[in-house]
Amino acid sequence: EIVLTQSPGTLSLSPGERATLSCRASRSVSSSYSSWYQQKPGQAPRLLIYGASSRATGIPDRFSGSGSGTDFTLTISRLEPEDFAVYYCQQYDSSPPLYIFGQGTKLEIK
Amino acid sequence: EVQLLESGGGLVQPGGSLRLSCAASGFTFSSSAMSWVRQPPGKGLEWVSAISGSGSSTYDADSVKGRFTISRDNSKNTLYLQMNTLRAEDTAVYFCAKEILGAAFDTWGQGTLVTVST
Repeated sequence: EIVLTQSPGTLSLSPGERATLSCRASRSVSSSYSSWYQQKPGQAPRLLIYGASSRATGIPDRFSGSGSGTDFTLTISRLEPEDFAVYYCQQYDSSPPLYIFGQGTKLEIK
Repeated sequence: EVQLLESGGGLVQPGGSLRLSCAASGFTFSSSAMSWVRQPPGKGLEWVSAISGSGSSTYDADSVKGRFTISRDNSKNTLYLQMNTLRAEDTAVYFCAKEILGAAFDTWGQGTLVTVST
């Protein structure tokens, strides 16, 4: 079974800075099934990126995703105050069908 | 507007049962695979179960296999999760989620809290 490891666990940055979040899979996975979510306290997760690099509907272009194989990255080009939240990566494994989440990266205001 | 609304959560004793519901609106429910995802208090997300649009295929995480059953009634646009033999570690907010291309979840409900405790 695939294990997703996100790093860092906590990232402290200031508004206007660039954020780079990493998600590493325990074995090579399909980029077609790689997604990223944002979650704020008391809210449901929100889909940001699917298929490794496609932005979901309504997601600002400061959010971008990249990667392949075992390494995937979510980049926020210029942090806005509303971007401080917890971010999760997710992968789908088809054999057997499983949906795996990383443990999350907390993006906090420095 | 695409919406998912969960209900059925609450306090239950260890070994007890509970059935969650998720009412869907704003999209063609029968065409969408659906999942349940849970989040223990203060912790991360864990996928629980998935079901195909027709309901003919279901998949479960090992942690709930044999205890939880996912189902759907496409005539009522409703997703269900029957939870039996509940344990303390099943305590979590349970979200229903709609799947899109790429096995991502583009729409989530607000969640319903299940607490397993004496």
